[in-house]
Order: sequence, then C-alpha cells, then structure tokens
Amino acid sequence: DAGVIQSPRHEVTEMGQEVTLRCKPISGHDYLFWYRQTMMRGLELLIYFNNNVPIDDSGMPEDRFSAKMPNASFSTLKIQPSEPRDSAVYFCASSLARASGYTFGSGTRLTVV
Amino acid sequence: GENVEQHPSTLSVQEGDSAVIKCTYSDSASNYFPWYKQELGKGPQLIIDIRSNVGEKKDQRIAVTLNKTAKHFSLHITETQPEDSAVYFCAANTNAGKSTFGDGTTLTVKP
Repeated sequence: DAGVIQSPRHEVTEMGQEVTLRCKPISGHDYLFWYRQTMMRGLELLIYFNNNVPIDDSGMPEDRFSAKMPNASFSTLKIQPSEPRDSAVYFCASSLARASGYTFGSGTRLTVV
Repeated sequence: GENVEQHPSTLSVQEGDSAVIKCTYSDSASNYFPWYKQELGKGPQLIIDIRSNVGEKKDQRIAVTLNKTAKHFSLHITETQPEDSAVYFCAANTNAGKSTFGDGTTLTVKP
C-alpha cells in the first residue's frame, strides 16, 4: 500500500483565498483524521470520520473550515476564506479500528500571506 | 476531555546511553497508548503501542511501560543511535477512537 496520500505537499496562498487540502486514506481503514500542527499548539485534532461519517468536529476552529468525506477513499479539508493564522502543517491520518495506531500522511504545509 | 502531559520537552543524550520519556493522562477510560516518532519534514510514525491490559511491551531497543493506577506511561530507548534523533509523541485513546497527543519531546543523540 502507498500509505496515506496527501496533496498538495506545499500551498502558498493569499489571504482571503479558498484552500482545499486532499487526502486518500489507506484502503480498508475505517477512521480518518485531520490534524493541524504548529509550534505553538502542537498537534490539534480538527475532525474525524468513521465510515465516511463525521463523528467529532469540535476541533474545527471556525466556520471558515469544513471537511468532507464523500467516499471511503477520499477526504477534503477546505478553508474559505483563508487567513495568515491558518498557516500550519495539516496532516491526514487513517486507522484500521477504534483503538489502533494511526498512519499519517506526509502533510500539507500551508502558508497564507 | 482527555489531557496528556509529556516530559521532558527536550532531551539530549550521548550515543549508546538510554533515553526515557514520560507521559501522564487524565481520563481513566483511556485504554490504548501509542507512541510516534516524527522526523523533520515528515508525518508522525507509529513506533510502538501498549494496551491497558498490559504493563510492559518491548520491541528491540524500545520498550513502553504502563501504570494504570498512576495514569502514566513511559517510552524507553536503549543503546541510542544518532538516527533516533527526532520528536517523539505519546498519545492516549479512549473507546471514542481519537488520540489526544502530548506536546512532544525533541530527542537529540550526540555521536
């Protein structure tokens, strides 16, 4: 398996623009997670899905953030409009079961200028 | 919700020495405790894990211990090598399925 695949690897955008981050989880993994990593706040859980259904989105910072999982092999995280404080590395991860380890993607480094 | 504290935040050891990283958790319902290693420019990678019905687990040079009564667990790396240098994260899972991560420990192994 190619692992969890995220795209793009790097994204530089201007404040106010829409940003879409993409993730392909490992086939057969029932859970998908979106995390944000910054020096100040560490690894923050934004939202997670179980069998394509959003279970907990309490970590989504504002209404500017939205996430979808239209099928078992694809998820998106969208920020609209983007702001400089959204600059961070965004990770997607998937796991096989409720109490099992995550496989993380390589992350998307987002810079909003 | 769950709260995980990790110590120390930085750790420097000489090659060949041992390194120990400690974490505490708050939710007694947590039952799964993974450890991740993150190298520069990469996502965290699962290196070892332990479940609440086990007190210790070992995999070559790394081992984890769990004390459920005290709500703490530790990562032990023996015979450290320069390639062990990375950021290490502990995490705790409840049956809800999501991990709460510690703030990370930057380990530097000096050759």
